[in-house]
Amino acid sequence: EVQLVESGGGLVQPGGSLRLSCAASGFGFSSYWMHWVRQAPGKGLVWLSRINSDGIRTTYADSVKGRFTISRDNAKNTLYLQMNSLRTEDTAVYYCARDLTSVTSPLHFYAMDVWGQGTTVTVSS
Amino acid sequence: QSALTQPASVSGSPGQSITISCTGTSSDVGAYNYVSWYQQHPDKAPKLLIYEVSDRPSGVSNRFSGSKSGNTASLTISGLQAEDEADYYCSSYTTTSTLFFGGGTKLTVL
Repeated sequence: EVQLVESGGGLVQPGGSLRLSCAASGFGFSSYWMHWVRQAPGKGLVWLSRINSDGIRTTYADSVKGRFTISRDNAKNTLYLQMNSLRTEDTAVYYCARDLTSVTSPLHFYAMDVWGQGTTVTVSS
Repeated sequence: QSALTQPASVSGSPGQSITISCTGTSSDVGAYNYVSWYQQHPDKAPKLLIYEVSDRPSGVSNRFSGSKSGNTASLTISGLQAEDEADYYCSSYTTTSTLFFGGGTKLTVL
């Protein structure tokens, strides 16, 4: 079964740091681009970051650029999101998601076909 | 840049068709055919319905269809069913290599 499982969420004080993990199984993780997306309570989806299959190319939303870092360990089939200088407005459910784009095709899609269940991050004093 | 614009809510009766719009700019929706649509039921992860404006992943009902004209993309759901009641989000790739989501549309099946 194709699956993504996030972990690492929790309660953190403003200014603190947290690292989220996303464990992939059931597919060739190293072949696919991956994303992080978040959703604040009662609000809509917000795209945060994307990483290509080999981890060389990354892109960030302006709201997290310089504070968050996306990375991956293809040997461990795991995606990460290092979050620093956290603010109360970073409180949200954080999802990892797989892009349709893979090394098996020259096409890019920028669409997310597999999602994790989400992990909750609460930034509060 | 800001989120793509969607109506906050739409409604329809079972069997009817509804359309949800997603308005962006020439820097996102109008620039590429990388528009996607997602369905999200309460407390669930989003589900991909449409990618590249009008393509459906395998397993997605053909009651869901997408289109685009200029800076506005649209999702049409035909033959509305009770289980279609959910939140719907569009997303688009942008000229700055980022992605934007729309603000979301709550669909109520009357």
